[in-house]
Parts: sequence; structure tokens; C-alpha cells
Amino acid sequence: EVQLVESGGGLVQPGGSLRLSCAASGFTFSSFWMSWVRQAPGKGLEWVANINQDESERVYVDSLKGRFTISRDNAKNSLYLQLNRLRAEDTAVYYCARLRDSSGCLLFDFWGRGTLVTVSS
Amino acid sequence: DIQMTQSPSSLSAYVGDRVTITCRASQRISTYLNWYQQKPGKAPKLLIYAASTLQSGVPSRFSGSGSGTDFTLTISSLQPEDFATYSCQQSYTAITFGGGTKVAIK
Repeated sequence: EVQLVESGGGLVQPGGSLRLSCAASGFTFSSFWMSWVRQAPGKGLEWVANINQDESERVYVDSLKGRFTISRDNAKNSLYLQLNRLRAEDTAVYYCARLRDSSGCLLFDFWGRGTLVTVSS
Repeated sequence: DIQMTQSPSSLSAYVGDRVTITCRASQRISTYLNWYQQKPGKAPKLLIYAASTLQSGVPSRFSGSGSGTDFTLTISSLQPEDFATYSCQQSYTAITFGGGTKVAIK
């Protein structure tokens, strides 16, 4: 059974940093692209970033480039998201998701339950 | 960026009703369109991908259609476990989601 479990969320002050983790199990982690998606309170889902199997390709939503960094450790079956220079508008539940390509259509076929990041003084 | 607009933003329906949710893209996206179901505190779940392909394990009462800019998700006979929020997502250019449609009990 595929499982994705996020951790590392919490309360952080504006301008602060946080590192989110996602522990994967039930599939060959090193064979898949992985992603982060977030959802602000009462808002829709927002894609954040993708990373390929060997970290040679990383893609970010334009609005977040330079502040967030996606990475992975295949030996530990783990995905990470480093969040820097945090702002109040970064307050959201952050989801880890497995990314799949179906004839060019990119889809998220498994998701975790998310970890809440609250940016507030 | 491609904007995805869902309608309605919320609806209420009875168990057994046929429910249709619409997703419109701000430009043509072929069939690069997926649908997800989300319940509070749970992981989002993929229902339909590539506009009309049912994800493995998803009940056949769910179906998707459309291409270009206009897409629909249909639940043929609403079940108690289907009360949730549904979101569309495009991947033609970058990745963007619709704002979601909350389906509530009438």
C-alpha cells in the first residue's frame, strides 16, 4: 500500500524558515517524480514544485522560485521542501504527492494527509 | 498561467441524485485534465485522469468528459460517501487547479 506521510509543519514567524519532510513507503520511491502541493485555509489547491528521480530536474511554480527548494533522499525514501523567507500568505497545508505521466498528462496519483504551516508573529 | 474555473463553487444534493460539476480552462488544454476528491483531514484522491479515464479502484458512478476548454465530472447516483470537495487540475502548461466544488447533503 502506497503511503506518504508529511511532517515538519508548525508555527513560524514571518521571515523564518522551515523544512518539511515526506516519508514514502509501499512503492519504489526512486522510480518516481515527486511533488509538493499546498492549500491555504479556505482556498483551492496550489502546485508548488516537482522533482525527478535523481534530482537533476526541479520545477517550481513561478511565484515561489527562489524561496522554496525541493529535494529528496532516495536512500531514505524521503522527499523534502525547504521553505525560506516565509510570509503570512505561505500559511497552508502542504501535501506530498506522487507524480505520474500518462501520455503527457501529469497527474498526482497518491497524496499524503498534509502538514500545516502557519506563518504568524 | 492557465486559469481553471469550476462551477458551481458549491451545491447541495440528495443521495441518489445525478450531479455534474464543470471545469473551464482559460485556454485550450487538450485532454490534460484531472479530477480529485478531497475530504476534511484526509489525503486528496485521484478520480479521473486525462479527462475521461477512471483511476483504478474508483467506482464507475464517476465519469469525466470534455476536451479543449470545457470539462465535466459526473456522479451518476450520489452516495453518502461522495459528499466532499472536488477539484480539477490541468497540466498542459505548468500545473494549476480549479477552486473546488463542495458537494453537500440536501
